[in-house]
Amino acid sequence: DVKVTQSSRYLVKRTGEKVFLECVQDMDHENMFWYRQDPGLGLRLIYFSYDVKMKEKGDIPEGYSVSREKKERFSLILESASTNQTSMYLCASSLGQDYRSSGNTIYFGEGSWLTVV
Amino acid sequence: SQKIEQNSEALNIQEGKTATLTCNYTNYSPAYLQWYRQDPGRGPVFLLLIRENEKEKRKERLKVTFDTTLKQSLFHITASQPADSATYLCARAERSNDYKLSFGAGTTVTVRA
Repeated sequence: DVKVTQSSRYLVKRTGEKVFLECVQDMDHENMFWYRQDPGLGLRLIYFSYDVKMKEKGDIPEGYSVSREKKERFSLILESASTNQTSMYLCASSLGQDYRSSGNTIYFGEGSWLTVV
Repeated sequence: SQKIEQNSEALNIQEGKTATLTCNYTNYSPAYLQWYRQDPGRGPVFLLLIRENEKEKRKERLKVTFDTTLKQSLFHITASQPADSATYLCARAERSNDYKLSFGAGTTVTVRA
């Protein structure tokens, strides 16, 4: 079974702090993603990466950056946390671009609940 | 950008009945649509994928249809059980970047015993 592990389940940070959310997948997947989920807004893509050191902005990248130094690890960074970044953050991975076989099914982690006070 | 909408936020049904959820999309048809289940406080879990050339797909008590004329997918849970209570999300892939999925806001299903 694919496992996507998010290092922190619950975090409370102060406004202005730098926050790191870490994610590791164990299935040698090419693609990794960071989403945030808010009530009524659904899942919104922040950033995704299709290879080591490669990244692309999603729909809401402002205030965030990412790092992918190794294939299995994808980090989300909040340079200066703000209260409007209080949310549930979901990391995910998928196999690759051969959607014909896998349909690029996305495997999610359990989520990280971040509260910025 | 391509939109994907789920018609209702919540659906309450009696155990044993069929729940039907709707997912509508705009502009061109995606190569495929996916459906996920999400339990409270957990990450979504993949359920089913249906391709644009498939009319219907089944998995146990779940059935998904894909109508490219109506630009719509229907998700059915037959003989529903309280354990089916969860939020169900549909997702579409962009044709230019098919590994990038856009999700609907979800429909929360509550099955009453």
